[in-house]
Amino acid sequence: DAMVIQNPRYQVTQFGKPVTLSCSQTLNHNVMYWYQQKSSQAPKLLFHYYDKDFNNEADTPDNFQSRRPNTSFCFLDIRSPGLGDTAMYLCATSRVGTGELFFGEGSRLTVL
Amino acid sequence: GDSVTQMEGPVTLSEEAFLTINCTYTATGYPSLFWYVQYPGEGLQLLLKATKADDKGSNKGFEATYRKETTSFHLEKGSVQVSDSAVYFCALPFSGTYKYIFGTGTRLKVLA
Repeated sequence: DAMVIQNPRYQVTQFGKPVTLSCSQTLNHNVMYWYQQKSSQAPKLLFHYYDKDFNNEADTPDNFQSRRPNTSFCFLDIRSPGLGDTAMYLCATSRVGTGELFFGEGSRLTVL
Repeated sequence: GDSVTQMEGPVTLSEEAFLTINCTYTATGYPSLFWYVQYPGEGLQLLLKATKADDKGSNKGFEATYRKETTSFHLEKGSVQVSDSAVYFCALPFSGTYKYIFGTGTRLKVLA
């Protein structure tokens, strides 16, 4: 059974048209992460939550925002996508103390 | 600061060949160490982990030993299969945070 579920799996959007990606988890983990992965590269952390505490990476563009309304759900909002935002977006969770990350299948975003 | 250095790819092997993917790290203390695997079009999955020095993690025929003397966590498999074709990432938690550092990834292609 899928434990970290991302929707949509594939999204095509126009340059500048806002997009929202969602992530839900059934693991009840307190930490949730959003990563951006471009082709043939390692995942790059955008931000993470410890419970409701939000932590933004210094180099995450202002264009990227996130919401975590409850333990189970987390959203990534891209306000005005540019061509350079075409990437796979990965959601992950972890429970403090176990050290293991659980990833979703990813949302592949294409900006035209 | 904490870092992970991973062997450059791609690595191309014939089926049943022996695989080694090198990973070395610098870290404060002795963090847990992880190998993740990413199959085409999917998110990352935990392949194996080791939580302390001299521990050997193993899964699906893959092994890696936590060597504090050489600060290494090399991934090995005695006989690879076509189905092992994927990208492999070495990772460790960034000390004092809930974040993780990933290596650059090594693409493995196994030919029948």
